[in-house]
Amino acid sequence: AQSVAQPEDQVNVAEGNPLTVKCTYSVSGNPYLFWYVQYPNRGLQFLLKYITGDNLVKGSYGFEAEFNKSQTSFHLKKPSALVSDSALYFCAVRANTGGFKTIFGAGTRLFVKA
Amino acid sequence: DAGVTQSPTHLIKTRGQQVTLRCSPISGHKSVSWYQQVLGQGPQFIFQYYEKEERGRGNFPDRFSARQFPNYSSELNVNALLLGDSALYLCASSLAGEETQYFGPGTRLLVL
Repeated sequence: AQSVAQPEDQVNVAEGNPLTVKCTYSVSGNPYLFWYVQYPNRGLQFLLKYITGDNLVKGSYGFEAEFNKSQTSFHLKKPSALVSDSALYFCAVRANTGGFKTIFGAGTRLFVKA
Repeated sequence: DAGVTQSPTHLIKTRGQQVTLRCSPISGHKSVSWYQQVLGQGPQFIFQYYEKEERGRGNFPDRFSARQFPNYSSELNVNALLLGDSALYLCASSLAGEETQYFGPGTRLLVL
């Protein structure tokens, strides 16, 4: 069965500092991995995805994520946080075989202090 | 280009009633998925449709049903509403066989 864990409910970081939002997953076969961001009273916005290839994936707004197969992780990173990055971040996984079901983590709230 | 649109934006129903939520995908997208997001939780997969056929179903009771129309728009129906059905219902569209889903703003359903 597929599952996603985001071990931190909340991450606090000062503006200008690097940020990391953690995600681990479990899926049969090779995973498709995604990060989405949700602002208050809005739908989810796509940030980046890993399908295959280079383990370091670059996405929107300066975010990147590193796929680590041995640790089954897909942590979201940004070298220098902005106050405007404060939002709710979701990691999601989908197996590349056997259906279209996408599983989301519970989310991590990011607070960036000025 | 317009993104994914959903209607209505808000809805209030009472227990036992039925509700229909609507979704129009991004032009050219042939797949639509539905998710339920309860406050404080991540989206939970309900259905995915592609070319008018159901391609995936999450762990939701039979009170939940959906369909996709020839123009690729979709409806989600929920019968015999329960208080626990109160949530933000999200629709996402994607290209045929393309993995990235683009989400609409959602319909917020409140069941009293």
